[in-house]
Amino acid sequence: DAGITQSPRHKVTETGTPVTLRCHQTENHRYMYWYRQDPGHGLRLIHYSYGVKDTDKGEVSDGYSVSRSKTEDFLLTLESATSSQTSVYFCAITGDLATGQYFGPGTRLTVT
Amino acid sequence: AQSVTQPDIHITVSEGASLELRCNYSYGATPYLFWYVQSPGQGLQLLLKYFSGDTLVQGIKGFEAEFKRSQSSFNLRKPSVHWSDAAEYFCAVGRTGGGNKLTFGTGTQLKVEL
Repeated sequence: DAGITQSPRHKVTETGTPVTLRCHQTENHRYMYWYRQDPGHGLRLIHYSYGVKDTDKGEVSDGYSVSRSKTEDFLLTLESATSSQTSVYFCAITGDLATGQYFGPGTRLTVT
Repeated sequence: AQSVTQPDIHITVSEGASLELRCNYSYGATPYLFWYVQSPGQGLQLLLKYFSGDTLVQGIKGFEAEFKRSQSSFNLRKPSVHWSDAAEYFCAVGRTGGGNKLTFGTGTQLKVEL
């Protein structure tokens, strides 16, 4: 299994509070991704990174920001959480698309 | 833009029966195609992938998939389903460049009856 962890695994927070989720990899892969998973929508890409300090938006980036200051860490921040951001968040990594993306265990976020 | 359609939201099969999960994609060039499986409360595990070569690809857990360019399909099959195969299955399409991004289908939930 690819060395990829996410923290925290579960979080409950209140509307309007900032939240940061962390993805950590030990594979030294160039590409890292944040997805959200919601029933009926599959996985939707929020943001991705193609190198240290190099990031770009995905299809559902509004309300989210990311940072990558080291190869191994990719942070997802909800500046002011809303109930619509209640979801399961997955991080993924890849070095080469031909090998596929490898996923972390996920973070279940509930915004009350 | 690339897209993926999984037309079956839920499928129920009896243990020991054969399985086919459908996946259709939209993409202009030869795509990179993937099938993932997700057990409840878990992350996604890569079952198999295709990007070139033999159009019938073998994966883990006894699964296989066939790439059919003329039908824009990449259906997942298993000859004999086990109760432990009950999970959600996702098809994904990707392309190189532009961040090596994947686009996922909405998933098919497989139930296995004993």
